[in-house]
Amino acid sequence: DTEVTQTPKHLVMGMTNKKSLKCEQHMGHRAMYWYKQKAKKPPELMFVYSYEKLSINESVPSRFSPECPNSSLLNLHLHALQPEDSALYLCASSQDWGGELFFGEGSRLTVL
Amino acid sequence: GENVEQHPSTLSVQEGDSAVIKCTYSDSASNYFPWYKQELGKGPQLIIDIRSNVGEKKDQRIAVTLNKTAKHFSLHITETQPEDSAVYFCAATLNRDDKIIFGKGTRLHILP
Repeated sequence: DTEVTQTPKHLVMGMTNKKSLKCEQHMGHRAMYWYKQKAKKPPELMFVYSYEKLSINESVPSRFSPECPNSSLLNLHLHALQPEDSALYLCASSQDWGGELFFGEGSRLTVL
Repeated sequence: GENVEQHPSTLSVQEGDSAVIKCTYSDSASNYFPWYKQELGKGPQLIIDIRSNVGEKKDQRIAVTLNKTAKHFSLHITETQPEDSAVYFCAATLNRDDKIIFGKGTRLHILP
């Protein structure tokens, strides 16, 4: 299994809602990542977990809250988002921090 | 910090012809240079990569060349096919913390 699975594929939420994005991999990778991608732009790193510990937070606003319940799962909790947060959110994993990235297909988020 | 420049932003080539995408990087300590292909509605997928101890790497119709002195690397696609149409991102990894820095992307159109 060489897949990174993200759910949901699409999410529409209001600015007062609380929602979560989920990511799962069963490749035994020890590093997992959240990226944000706006249209026609490259992915921007948000968070990195290495061995289930938060290693990097790229100065992401606190309305985005990551969680790594175990080595296979990564969540991104969303609360009080702004319309400008609408984007494709990509999860990725790698064998170790800095290795080849395997991306999921993304969750397309629209904030109304 | 590291900066990766990618050119051109858009490239149209006739089916069967070759396509070349070029990138430059600023940090001479970078030692890993992956290329990702992103098709519409999907996450980026690694297609080829090269490390700084190698000058060229080839995988069927795809090749990457690296010039460490000039700090630039290029993606070459030969005998292009319709399924090569996608956005291609080059990237470089900072040696000291292994964070991947992406170029801005090249939208490749294969014309029938």
